[in-house]
Amino acid sequence: EAGVAQSPRYKIIEKRQSVAFWCNPISGHATLYWYQQILGQGPKLLIQFQNNGVVDDSQLPKDRFSAERLKGVDSTLKIQPAKLEDSAVYLCASSYLKDSMAFFGQGTRLTVV
Amino acid sequence: KQEVTQIPAALSVPEGENLVLNCSFTDSAIYNLQWFRQDPGKGLTSLLLIQSSQREQTSGRLNASLDKSSGRSTLYIAASQPGDSATYLCAVRFGAQKLVFGQGTRLTINP
Repeated sequence: EAGVAQSPRYKIIEKRQSVAFWCNPISGHATLYWYQQILGQGPKLLIQFQNNGVVDDSQLPKDRFSAERLKGVDSTLKIQPAKLEDSAVYLCASSYLKDSMAFFGQGTRLTVV
Repeated sequence: KQEVTQIPAALSVPEGENLVLNCSFTDSAIYNLQWFRQDPGKGLTSLLLIQSSQREQTSGRLNASLDKSSGRSTLYIAASQPGDSATYLCAVRFGAQKLVFGQGTRLTINP
């Protein structure tokens, strides 16, 4: 069974530029999560989808971050404009149901300079 | 506020020892709890999932326990090996929705 796929693995951008991350969850998984992990900290949930609907986006900085999950499968997370404090690893995860075991991708390491 | 705490932040033990990692959470009304492993520069690998109705789960040398009433979970690693060195993260699912993570415990097993 293929795991959660994320791309790119690494990205370096200048502040005020925009960036997008892509995630392909495990086939058949209805729930998809985007987490932000700052160095030395635990992951923080940015947004959770159930199929293509948003379940929780309470910690998503909506003035600069946006996410969508078209057709309830792939998802993209966008930052526009980026700030220095957005430097982190962005992790995508999926689970079969919203209360099932979650599986994570390798993450995208973003550096904003 | 629903919070998850892991103490200590770092732990170093000699190879072969049995060890316990701790996780505490503020709200006893949890749905389930999951333990993950994270190697440097990598994503998270799921280790064990304990449902709220369970007291423990075992996988190989790993045993996770759950005590909802005291808001605690432990991950027991038997006969530790250098390959067990990683950061271990506890995540609690509150109300079958949000999965909230602790800060992690960075474990080093010395040969």
